[in-house]
Amino acid sequence: DVKVTQSSRYLVKRTGEKVFLECVQDMDHENMFWYRQDPGLGLRLIYFSYDVKMKEKGDIPEGYSVSREKKERFSLILESASTNQTSMYLCASSLTKTGFYGYTFGSGTRLTVV
Amino acid sequence: GQQLNQSPQSMFIQEGEDVSMNCTSSSIFNTWLWYKQDPGEGPVLLIALYKAGELTSNGRLTAQFGITRKDSFLNISASIPSDVGIYFCAGQGNSGAGSYQLTFGKGTKLSVIP
Repeated sequence: DVKVTQSSRYLVKRTGEKVFLECVQDMDHENMFWYRQDPGLGLRLIYFSYDVKMKEKGDIPEGYSVSREKKERFSLILESASTNQTSMYLCASSLTKTGFYGYTFGSGTRLTVV
Repeated sequence: GQQLNQSPQSMFIQEGEDVSMNCTSSSIFNTWLWYKQDPGEGPVLLIALYKAGELTSNGRLTAQFGITRKDSFLNISASIPSDVGIYFCAGQGNSGAGSYQLTFGKGTKLSVIP
């Protein structure tokens, strides 16, 4: 089974801190995604990547950046954390070389910014 | 961009009842997917539908890909307490650079009363 691992389940950070959320997948998927999930707003796409060193903005990229130096790892960076970035963050990956089978999600990181 | 309307937003049902939820879109999708998210976890794929009119079952779950390719429904029969969670529909778009990107509904939150 494909596994998508997010490094932390829970994080508490202070306003203004630089925050790194790490995501690793183990099945050679080309595509990786970062979403945030807030009650009533569903899943909102922050950034995605179709290849190493490649990144594309999603629907809500402001205040975030990403890094994909290796195929299996996709990092989300909060340059200067703010309280309105308190949320559940979900990483996902997908394979498209042989067809499309949907996304595989990690278990999520619940970030609280105080 | 493409949008999915998922309904209902939330449901409270008695254990043993059947459940029905659906998604509609203004755009055509090539693939419909249904995910379930347990509390505090990431979404997990339940059913994938690849062809208009397709009806697929997975245990007590049944989903259909609408003939118009603009809608899909998910039914759960004889609900049990572990069905509690948020159910998301997702559609994969028709063409273009983002053709393997999913558009998500906002979710249906299911509560089961024992």
